[in-house]
Amino acid sequence: EVQLVETGGGLIQPGGSLRLSCAASGFTVTSNYMTWVRQAPGKGVEWVSLIYSSGSTYSSDSVKGRFTISTDNSKNTLYLQMNNLRAEDTAVYYCAIGYGGFDTFFPPPHYWGQGTLVTVSS
Amino acid sequence: DIQMTQSPSTLSASLGDRVTITCRASQSISRWVAWYQQKPGKAPNLLINQASNLESGVPSRFSGSGSGTEFTLTISSLQPDDFATYYCQQYKNLWTFGQGTKVEIK
Repeated sequence: EVQLVETGGGLIQPGGSLRLSCAASGFTVTSNYMTWVRQAPGKGVEWVSLIYSSGSTYSSDSVKGRFTISTDNSKNTLYLQMNNLRAEDTAVYYCAIGYGGFDTFFPPPHYWGQGTLVTVSS
Repeated sequence: DIQMTQSPSTLSASLGDRVTITCRASQSISRWVAWYQQKPGKAPNLLINQASNLESGVPSRFSGSGSGTEFTLTISSLQPDDFATYYCQQYKNLWTFGQGTKVEIK
């Protein structure tokens, strides 16, 4: 059974940094793509970043240059390093996994975590 | 970037109603559209991929159609479990989600 468990959320001041983790079980992070999607309170879903098994990474314009996605194959874990956080980054962050893909084409994910809340506020 | 415009933002309907949600892409995306259902406090749940392919376990009252820039999600007969928020997603070039449609009880 595929399981994804996100941790690392919390309250952080604007301009601060936070690292989210997503521990995966039931598959290998290197054999697919993994992604972060967020949802601000009461708002819609927004794609954040994606990492492919080739090592290629992609990020939305709203986080490019501030957020970095990575994996640790030995720990089967996905990370999101978030720097220079802003109030508008406040959201529940979900990790998700999908299969296949190439270039910038990635099919929708079938497995999602339960999410971790990040609150950026002074 | 490809934009997805979803309508309506809120939809009031009764049990048994036929419900249609529309998504429009800012450029042609062939049939690379997915639809999700989300309930409060939960992650989105994939219903349909490639515009019309129903995911395993999804009730047949859900259907999707469209290609190019216009897509629809239809629920043929609304059931109590269907009151939720629905999102479209394009995946032709990275990902973009629509703004969401909340289906509420009339």
